[in-house]
Amino acid sequence: QQQVKQSPQSLIVQKGGISIINCAYENTAFDYFPWYQQFPGKGPALLIAIRPDVSEKKEGRFTISFNKSAKQFSLHIMDSQPGDSATYFCAASSGDKIIFGKGTRLHILP
Amino acid sequence: DTAVSQTPKYLVTQMGNDKSIKCEQNLGHDTMYWYKQDSKKFLKIMFSYNNKELIINETVPNRFSPKSPDKAHLNLHINSLELGDSAVYFCASSALEGGAEQYFGPGTRLTVT
Repeated sequence: QQQVKQSPQSLIVQKGGISIINCAYENTAFDYFPWYQQFPGKGPALLIAIRPDVSEKKEGRFTISFNKSAKQFSLHIMDSQPGDSATYFCAASSGDKIIFGKGTRLHILP
Repeated sequence: DTAVSQTPKYLVTQMGNDKSIKCEQNLGHDTMYWYKQDSKKFLKIMFSYNNKELIINETVPNRFSPKSPDKAHLNLHINSLELGDSAVYFCASSALEGGAEQYFGPGTRLTVT
């Protein structure tokens, strides 16, 4: 119940395309869903986050879609750029604990 | 003015040695964490401290001992290093206990030979 399942493990997208990373959770106590971006040799950094009372949140080219009934959420990167190449982690938090997904390595082809 | 800093960035040592990694945050956060990231990039939480008190201690060998001299510092001491300890170790902090908005340090790459 504490797991956050993330897919795919790796993703290759052409420049200008849409990158989509999916996550699923089981524990309905989770109430905050952040995404972290990690570049090689760096620590993860908070990218965008959503609470379950909204179905979508957009910040620039990054959008989180949230489906509360299905217990799923996804990150969409529009007009993907080579600079977006990184590892992305979804996470779920219930206030006293945060659980990370296993990460998706995204590579954007120039 | 780095928010979360770690030293050293790289650490190469032999099996059986004892080593420490230091972490400092200047964000005024109450909670600090240690994570281990293996070669597959999986992030595993090891410890969580809130205002110098141990909150989370996941299944980690007791060769690993965190020390928090004050709420801005959380150091990690590792005794009798083993090959399997090779990984990148990240320190992080958050304003709230268990907070999902975490600020990570740059990581320490530990290589045990």
